[in-house]
Amino acid sequence: SQKIEQNSEALNIQEGKTATLTCNYTNYSPAYLQWYRQDPGRGPVFLLLIRENEKEKRKERLKVTFDTTLKQSLFHITASQPADSATYLCALDRTAADGLTFGKGTHLIIQP
Amino acid sequence: DSGVTQTPKHLITATGQRVTLRCSPRSGDLSVYWYQQSLDQGLQFLIQYYNGEERAKGNILERFSAQQFPDLHSELNLSSLELGDSALYFCASSLHFTGGARTDTQYFGPGTRLTVL
Repeated sequence: SQKIEQNSEALNIQEGKTATLTCNYTNYSPAYLQWYRQDPGRGPVFLLLIRENEKEKRKERLKVTFDTTLKQSLFHITASQPADSATYLCALDRTAADGLTFGKGTHLIIQP
Repeated sequence: DSGVTQTPKHLITATGQRVTLRCSPRSGDLSVYWYQQSLDQGLQFLIQYYNGEERAKGNILERFSAQQFPDLHSELNLSSLELGDSALYFCASSLHFTGGARTDTQYFGPGTRLTVL
């Protein structure tokens, strides 16, 4: 089955710097990959989707890359702000079925 | 606010009991997904309904069942509850479905926190 790995340890970044989060997966190459933000006690919120034939996607201060050779996606937040502090989840489409397979998420803390 | 509503917000019950969680999708969305989130397992896909029909099954236990009604709201039934069923249960909806060539965004509700004592 699909396995997704995200840094389980919290990532502490100084305000204004670029935060980079990693998502690695095994077993097969998904057609697309999504990133979600989740705040404590709330549901995940969709941020970005990148398809297998796309190398990079941007949305305001967010950038996602997708390397199907390395089986890895990187999620960047530039000019980070304390309000960016949250858990970020990466999700892949499931094999031959609907629903998403999520990683356990990386807790990002932006220090003022 | 995603437009997806879930009730109740919190639920505390005892082992062996049965509970029902309710979800109303965003207006116009045909697909409803149920997910379970626990500290050790992360967010796990349980089951999906599309326009009233079951479309996909994930890691859903036999003690759990779900359905989607003609008005498109959905209910997740959890029976013979165990301590390990304590978790956050999220419902998500999308216009159609994700998977394969489709990439409809899923919108998540605020969740129901289930505590089994």
